[in-house]
Amino acid sequence: EFVLTQSPATLSLSPGDRATLSCRASQSVSNFLAWYQQKPGQAPRLLIYEASNRATGIPARFSGSGSGTDFTLTISGLEPEDFALYYCQHRTNWVFGGGTRVELK
Amino acid sequence: QITLRESGPALVRPTQTLTLTCTFSGFRLSTSGMCVSWIRQPPGKPLEWLALIDWDDDKYYSTSLGSRLTISTDTSKNQVVLTMANMDPVDTATYYCARRTVAGTGFFDIWGQGTTVTVSS
Repeated sequence: EFVLTQSPATLSLSPGDRATLSCRASQSVSNFLAWYQQKPGQAPRLLIYEASNRATGIPARFSGSGSGTDFTLTISGLEPEDFALYYCQHRTNWVFGGGTRVELK
Repeated sequence: QITLRESGPALVRPTQTLTLTCTFSGFRLSTSGMCVSWIRQPPGKPLEWLALIDWDDDKYYSTSLGSRLTISTDTSKNQVVLTMANMDPVDTATYYCARRTVAGTGFFDIWGQGTTVTVSS
């Protein structure tokens, strides 16, 4: 069974900090991976697609990297509006990871 | 402007069949490369992909729920309908529809606001 494992489950940081979120695939997915942000009571928003491409309107402080089985979402300089849940997703079978919560320290 | 909006019952009884409708505007599902998908999220839990229908009327389902799901489209009404049979309290969730463009990002770039469904007797 294909699985995406996100770590850590929770990241406690302060505004201005750098956030590094990990997503590991149980088998190689090439670069067919996306990252979404979800705030309480809202639908997810696409941030990054094909591992490293920012979606329309996404600030440059969000960046994605990786290929194969290991992927990283980096937020360089957390803004107050960035404290949220983040999910990775694979494109071929549409599986989501379990999520990482970025919370205020 | 591209929008999607989910609608359906807020409460269903166990064993009933749930029918949800996604009404969209700003694009045509019949356009090559267009897809609409359903995703759900139980309270406090991660997102779970359910089903997807594409411009060619090809349909794809979650392996774990596929036997209970049916996705269809009414192109004249710009709607995608999802039915889920034999509902159970564990199916209580917010259900989202989202658009995917093969030639664009390849992922779900526009989402509806979601509709909350509670399964309870």
